[in-house]
Amino acid sequence: EVQLVESGGGLEHPGGSLRLSCAASGFTFRRHAMTWVRQAPGKGLEWVSAISDNGVYTYYADSVKGRFTISRDSFRNTLYLQMNSLRAEDTAVYYCARDGNYIDRAILPDYWGQGTLVTVSS
Amino acid sequence: EIVMTQSPATLSVSPGERVTLSCRASQIVSSDLAWYQQKPGQAPRLLLYGASTRATGIPARFSGSGSGTEFTLTISSLQSEDFAVYYCQQFSAWPFTFGPGTKVDVK
Repeated sequence: EVQLVESGGGLEHPGGSLRLSCAASGFTFRRHAMTWVRQAPGKGLEWVSAISDNGVYTYYADSVKGRFTISRDSFRNTLYLQMNSLRAEDTAVYYCARDGNYIDRAILPDYWGQGTLVTVSS
Repeated sequence: EIVMTQSPATLSVSPGERVTLSCRASQIVSSDLAWYQQKPGQAPRLLLYGASTRATGIPARFSGSGSGTEFTLTISSLQSEDFAVYYCQQFSAWPFTFGPGTKVDVK
């Protein structure tokens, strides 16, 4: 059974840092691109970042570029999101998701984690 | 960045009705368009990609059409489990962007 379990969320002050983790199991981690999508409370979905299956290629939303870093560890089957210089507008539930390998050049998530809440407030 | 818009914002329908949701892209995205369903307290679920191809396990009552900048999601006969928010998303160019969503609720 495919499972994605996020952790690392919590309350942080503006300007602070957090590192989110997503532990993957039930599939061959190195064969799938992975992505982070966030959702502010009561709002819509926003794509945050993505990483290719081999970790070579990374992508970021303009709103987080230069502040967030996505990475993966294929030995630990874990996806990470290092979040620096946090802002109030980064407050959201952060979902980890697996690309379903439907189309080579796209990331189309077929499995999602339950999400982890990040709150940025003074 | 490609901006996605959706209409209507909210649609009130009865079970059994045919539902049509619209999505528009600010630039041509060819058929690089996906639709997602999200229920309260749950993660999104991929419904369609390539504008019209159903993802694994998605019932045939969900269908999609369109290309370029105009797209449609149709639910042929709305079931009780289909009340949710529906998002379109382009994957033609990074950053991939979502529309604001259409909420389908009970009339």
